[in-house]
Amino acid sequence: KAGVTQTPRYLIKTRGQQVTLSCSPISGHRSVSWYQQTPGQGLQFLFEYFSETQRNKGNFPGRFSGRQFSNSRSEMNVSTLELGDSALYLCASSLVSFGNTEAFFGQGTRLTVV
Amino acid sequence: SQQGEEDPQALSIQEGENATMNCSYKTSINNLQWYRQNSGRGLVHLILIRSNEREKHSGRLRVTLDTSKKSSSLLITASRAADTASYFCATAPLNQAGTALIFGKGTTLSVSS
Repeated sequence: KAGVTQTPRYLIKTRGQQVTLSCSPISGHRSVSWYQQTPGQGLQFLFEYFSETQRNKGNFPGRFSGRQFSNSRSEMNVSTLELGDSALYLCASSLVSFGNTEAFFGQGTRLTVV
Repeated sequence: SQQGEEDPQALSIQEGENATMNCSYKTSINNLQWYRQNSGRGLVHLILIRSNEREKHSGRLRVTLDTSKKSSSLLITASRAADTASYFCATAPLNQAGTALIFGKGTTLSVSS
């Protein structure tokens, strides 16, 4: 069974630009969550989607948005990039949506904002 | 915001020794999970313990959970160099519909041969 696939693996963007990251969950998994990891703040929850609906949202500004498609693939978008958005963005998929099963993580997208 | 806090922040041991990491959290939980991360790559799920469980084993891993103290510990027995990684605890808040996990800042484990 293929794991969680995130694309691209690395990105370099300029301040003010926008970026879209993609995540393909494990087949059959309907829940997709996104996390931001930085040295200073650690791993922080961005949002979670289940059956194309956002179920939970972390404490991030509106510049961070996401969506999920009918095939469970998910994208997250960051607009008007800031230097502080440089981070490892991790996507995780889960079989069910009530926190009772483990999350399977992708390898992440390393975003650098210059 | 972080809910889990791991202790110690860093741990260095020799191969064959045991490694113990602790995690404290703040609110009631549905379950607590431990993950491993190698060099800024993706996280690998190690073990999940539900709020009504007190201890769980998986291979060389032993996890305990004390909900009255809001704390958990991860014991890795007979450590190997390949266990060198960062270890994170993550909690699933009680009564939360969804799979949002709240992570601690992690313990960096270094196992030397």
